[in-house]
Amino acid sequence: SYELTQPPSVSVSPGQTASITCSGDKLGEKYASWYQQRPGQTPLLVIYQDSQRPSGIPERFSGSNSGNTATLTISGTQALDEADYYCQAWDSNAVVFGGGTKLTVL
Amino acid sequence: QITLKESGPTLVKPTQTLTLTCTFSGFSISTSGVGVGWIRQSPGKALEWLALIYWLDDKYYSPSLTSRLTITKDTSKNQVVLIMTNMDPVDTATYYCAHRDKARQGFDYWGQGTLVTVSS
Repeated sequence: SYELTQPPSVSVSPGQTASITCSGDKLGEKYASWYQQRPGQTPLLVIYQDSQRPSGIPERFSGSNSGNTATLTISGTQALDEADYYCQAWDSNAVVFGGGTKLTVL
Repeated sequence: QITLKESGPTLVKPTQTLTLTCTFSGFSISTSGVGVGWIRQSPGKALEWLALIYWLDDKYYSPSLTSRLTITKDTSKNQVVLIMTNMDPVDTATYYCAHRDKARQGFDYWGQGTLVTVSS
């Protein structure tokens, strides 16, 4: 079955840019979505169709997807961005989630 | 305003069958492109997709759990039901239902989740 691989953790300083990657075979040929999950909260869609932001999601969240890697980029990272982030794609009639990345804002 | 809410037992015994209901408002599952999915999350673990149903009654299941899952919809009641058989302690998790737009391919609205514990 299809797998999406994310780094377990990423650290960033406040105000800097955080990049979280998601790798999968020919992922660039599929649409990638990204979810933010703060501790104790439900997941929140922050990026869909590789780079589209739902209404209400700050512009500092952006996404790209090419080759085998999708990337979520958070510019000007804030303390409130500290959360777990999950990528997701659709493959062979199934939804696939990555293992999640814990973003720490130091 | 789209809202979803999960309901069902909080405690089930091993080997029992779990039935969860997702009751939603703000959209109709008979509308073109609309779907509702189920996702679970074991304590401290990653999100795991379980099942998805679309407006034309197309159904999709996690390959690793397909033999244990059934998803159905009741358009008149604005509900989607997930049935999972042969529950095991490893199935202890928070179960979420979520709205999905087929074109966007993302789960854009989520329920609050319901914690299901499997224990004798």
